[in-house]
Amino acid sequence: KAGVTQTPRYLIKTRGQQVTLSCSPISGHRSVSWYQQTPGQGLQFLFEYFSETQRNKGNFPGRFSGRQFSNSRSEMNVSTLELGDSALYLCASSLAVGVLTEKLFFGSGTQLSVL
Amino acid sequence: DAKTTQPNSMESNEEEPVHLPCNHSTISGTDYIHWYRQLPSQGPEYVIHGLTSNVNNRMASLAIAEDRKSSTLILHRATLRDAAVYYCILRDSYSGNTPLVFGKGTRLSVIA
Repeated sequence: KAGVTQTPRYLIKTRGQQVTLSCSPISGHRSVSWYQQTPGQGLQFLFEYFSETQRNKGNFPGRFSGRQFSNSRSEMNVSTLELGDSALYLCASSLAVGVLTEKLFFGSGTQLSVL
Repeated sequence: DAKTTQPNSMESNEEEPVHLPCNHSTISGTDYIHWYRQLPSQGPEYVIHGLTSNVNNRMASLAIAEDRKSSTLILHRATLRDAAVYYCILRDSYSGNTPLVFGKGTRLSVIA
């Protein structure tokens, strides 16, 4: 079974631009979460989607948005990029069918550099 | 969210057991204890989780104190591939699919 796939693996953008990152969850998984990882702040939760609906949201500005498609694939978008948005963006998927302690499966992430 | 406290770093010799401690003195009765690890250049991966009883799986063992205020992740024979950052996370079982709240974790170095 293929794991969580994130594309692209690396991305370089300049300030003010916008970027879209993609995540394909494990087949059959309906929940997709996004996390940002930086050396200073560590791993921080961005948002979670389940059946195309945002179910949880972290404490990030509105420039960060996401969506989920009917096939469970997800995208996240960051508009008006700032230098501080440089980070590893991680996507995680899970079955999320009522087992409250189930585990998450993470992709290898997209390394975004903002110049 | 209840907080966890872990040592910043630990070191182990290859093929020796490793005990990674985690303190969670404010844990509530409905919090599960989860462990994830992050190998270099990869996303985190699930290791193990438990509520009250000790748990074993193919990767590790989880020993939970009787008062649940601390726990220990046990790697029975460390290998070079176990070098990673290990995160101890509490997850409330009654709050739906709550997101994982990662702390700083423990960076484990394994010496050949």
